[in-house]
Amino acid sequence: DGGITQSPKYLFRKEGQNVTLSCEQNLNHDAMYWYRQDPGQGLRLIYYSQIVNDFQKGDIAEGYSVSREKKESFPLTVTSAQKNPTAFYLCASSTPQGALNYGYTFGSGTRLTVV
Amino acid sequence: AQRVTQPEKLLSVFKGAPVELKCNYSYSGSPELFWYVQYSRQRLQLLLRHISRESIKGFTADLNKGETSFHLKKPFAQEEDSAMYYCAREEGTALIFGKGTTLSVSS
Repeated sequence: DGGITQSPKYLFRKEGQNVTLSCEQNLNHDAMYWYRQDPGQGLRLIYYSQIVNDFQKGDIAEGYSVSREKKESFPLTVTSAQKNPTAFYLCASSTPQGALNYGYTFGSGTRLTVV
Repeated sequence: AQRVTQPEKLLSVFKGAPVELKCNYSYSGSPELFWYVQYSRQRLQLLLRHISRESIKGFTADLNKGETSFHLKKPFAQEEDSAMYYCAREEGTALIFGKGTTLSVSS
């Protein structure tokens, strides 16, 4: 069953700690994305990757880091430098932009809470 | 400046009434535009993209380059249309989303 999986569903972090959110896809998509969803703010782009071993900063990359060592995986690390990390994080992947069926497939999200 | 603007946070209508969810974008050229929908307890999913000119679940959206708008419309709202709707446009190789509009359809 093809899809995109985010884990864990809920994550609690103490202030000052780094934490890594997992995102895995078996759709054979080249591109992957991380968004942050806050009430009243919509989705804001954190990082994205068009190809393995390459990624670009989005609008709110400060305090976050990513890696793309495998096509299937795009983990997001929320570092202690992120001033307001409590949020809902969404991962997505997509077919190439020119494809007929171009569009994003989203994961079910990870809710991160700093305690 | 916002690249995708959805002016309404909440839109409440009665079942059977027409619906229009507004979306304006800032861009010069021919943007690729989308509507995504998130039903309660479900994943965000693609509703439609302007280039395909499809009607999905009775919804349509027309690109108006003069007004830089891509409003989502449905002539007769159903209760199952209640959801959060996001307008998005391509910027480079990523999608930029608006802040979303919650549509509430009541009987």
